[in-house]
Amino acid sequence: GAVVSQHPSWVICKSGTSVKIECRSLDFQATTMFWYRQFPKQSLMLMATSNEGSKATYEQGVEKDKFLINHASLTLSTLTVTSAHPEDSSFYICSASPSGDVRYNTGELFFGEGSRLTVL
Amino acid sequence: GESVGLHLPTLSVQEGDNSIINCAYSNSASDYFIWYKQESGKGPQFIIDIRSNMDKRQGQRVTVLLNKTVKHLSLQIAATQPGDSAVYFCAENTSEKTSYDKVIFGPGTSLSVIP
Repeated sequence: GAVVSQHPSWVICKSGTSVKIECRSLDFQATTMFWYRQFPKQSLMLMATSNEGSKATYEQGVEKDKFLINHASLTLSTLTVTSAHPEDSSFYICSASPSGDVRYNTGELFFGEGSRLTVL
Repeated sequence: GESVGLHLPTLSVQEGDNSIINCAYSNSASDYFIWYKQESGKGPQFIIDIRSNMDKRQGQRVTVLLNKTVKHLSLQIAATQPGDSAVYFCAENTSEKTSYDKVIFGPGTSLSVIP
């Protein structure tokens, strides 16, 4: 399958600072990427859909000014957690859709390995 | 955010036995379903998928069953091995109301294999 890379895999920051997480599709182009958040022993919750060249679509209850998403190229989406607080500590996972790429099945998504954020 | 549920049920099976993991989905318009395996500290790993025009699909040691009438999915793992211990998520993919795929995860089941 295709490869999606996230960076950093883990980060520790002080409360009040901002943290940027990158999601890259390495061998395909992704017009759409997705950001999920996962708390311990819980499921992945979709935060937002990142669309290349346009604004992200946020799920209900997710603050767009808190979680800034930029999808400036067909292989890179970034999630910036602004003014991070301890309650933002979580596992953030991205996925990318190679929609339109004939090498992959329609609807197939590929996931990154996740980024663990700890806010002190 | 959107999710089918928030709490993680558990399933313990003896090594060599078959495992059955169940999942209820919410959107009758969903047309593509996927099972993922997630090991601790890692991202979800694709196991098997099924489209809504099918009711059964088999892979290597895994079978997915889809019952659209009651909106139910199941994952069957044959001859469960210790390496199968992980959290398993069903996910539904719907492009309803959007021009792109949107994948929503179920609550997950933690599978523990007893040697």
